[in-house]
Amino acid sequence: GESVGLHLPTLSVQEGDNSIINCAYSNSASDYFIWYKQESGKGPQFIIDIRSNMDKRQGQRVTVLLNKTVKHLSLQIAATQPGDSAVYFCAENPGNTPLVFGKGTRLSVIA
Amino acid sequence: ETGVTQTPRHLVMGMTNKKSLKCEQHLGHNAMYWYKQSAKKPLELMFVYNFKEQTENNSVPSRFSPECPNSSHLFLHLHTLQPEDSALYLCASSQEGQGGRPQHFGDGTRLSIL
Repeated sequence: GESVGLHLPTLSVQEGDNSIINCAYSNSASDYFIWYKQESGKGPQFIIDIRSNMDKRQGQRVTVLLNKTVKHLSLQIAATQPGDSAVYFCAENPGNTPLVFGKGTRLSVIA
Repeated sequence: ETGVTQTPRHLVMGMTNKKSLKCEQHLGHNAMYWYKQSAKKPLELMFVYNFKEQTENNSVPSRFSPECPNSSHLFLHLHTLQPEDSALYLCASSQEGQGGRPQHFGDGTRLSIL
């Protein structure tokens, strides 16, 4: 079946470096994508979203890139900080259906 | 503060008990959701309510019974649960009807079945 997936289950980065978390999706009908951050003991927290009519969107220290040709989504975090340590999920919205979530990537920041 | 409050945060129950999970959203949204989150699995959608009407039931066993009395409150009634039902249960809300919109999550109820 179609699914949202992540290339790497874990990612370790040095504090101050940039982080890139990748996500592959397979449903070509998806027109809306979201990145969530989930810290230990908390629910997923909305970070940034992007619609399929865009290929890049920037927030505070975060950038989401969308490549519809290869069905790939990435989250870039600039100057990664210890507080960025968490599990990051991507989610896609294939039209008028609920969001489909990936498994998540655990980001560990090394001080 | 996410605007979505879940109680209790932790719940331990036996397989013969009956308990309920509560969710309240303060965001003025018109849709609410229940998800199950187990280790090393993607979020599993259980139920969706749109304008208080259930619009999705993802083949969830009948031992889970949702209730949505109004657009701000959502309950999940539990009875005769199994050990494999131990998980984090997350509630979310969103404003539907305007194209894709993010769901906002509560911090979940950690459920342990003895």
